[in-house]
Amino acid sequence: SAVISQKPSRDICQRGTSLTIQCQVDSQVTMMFWYRQQPGQSLTLIATANQGSEATYESGFVIDKFPISRPNLTFSTLTVSNLSPEDSSIYLCSALGTKSNTEAFFGQGTRLTVV
Amino acid sequence: GESVGLHLPTLSVQEGDNSIINCAYSNSASDYFIWYKQESGKGPQFIIDIRSNMDKRQGQRVTVLLNKTVKHLSLQIAATQPGDSAVYFCAEKGQGAQKLVFGQGTRLTINP
Repeated sequence: SAVISQKPSRDICQRGTSLTIQCQVDSQVTMMFWYRQQPGQSLTLIATANQGSEATYESGFVIDKFPISRPNLTFSTLTVSNLSPEDSSIYLCSALGTKSNTEAFFGQGTRLTVV
Repeated sequence: GESVGLHLPTLSVQEGDNSIINCAYSNSASDYFIWYKQESGKGPQFIIDIRSNMDKRQGQRVTVLLNKTVKHLSLQIAATQPGDSAVYFCAEKGQGAQKLVFGQGTRLTINP
């Protein structure tokens, strides 16, 4: 299984600012994803991070608010822009390995609080 | 649209008892299902998976059952332990798709 590291693990940000979350995988993976998990709720997919091209966003999520980079097969970033209190949530990075293109592995998440 | 849901948001069982967590899905084209366990402050952890060409799969103390006729998935945990206390999510993937759709989650509490 792949080991996924996310940084930061938590942050408190002022409204109007931005936070960039980093996701590092310890092996090359085919697919990387970013999810949001609001308090007490399930995971909602924000976008698929595509290596070398623009991310594929789910309905309700746009690039201007959630720009994503994936410069190589092991690293991705998610930026949450122009923060508002409604952005307070846990953001999770996920990846599909090259050997098993089925189960997805998750990072430990980034807990964002916007004040 | 696609949706995966759970029958019960919370479940409490006595330590040592067996627990069953249920999940209903609506996408008949889903061909792969996963159960995840999420402990407080952590990301979801893979427990067990099952493909649509199977109706049962067993792991260590866990069994997943799939009933495609009624689009129902269940996770059975045998001889529950305090460490089993967590939120459990089912997730499904449509045929040819890569992304997972998650259910709402069930919080399992193991009572001593």
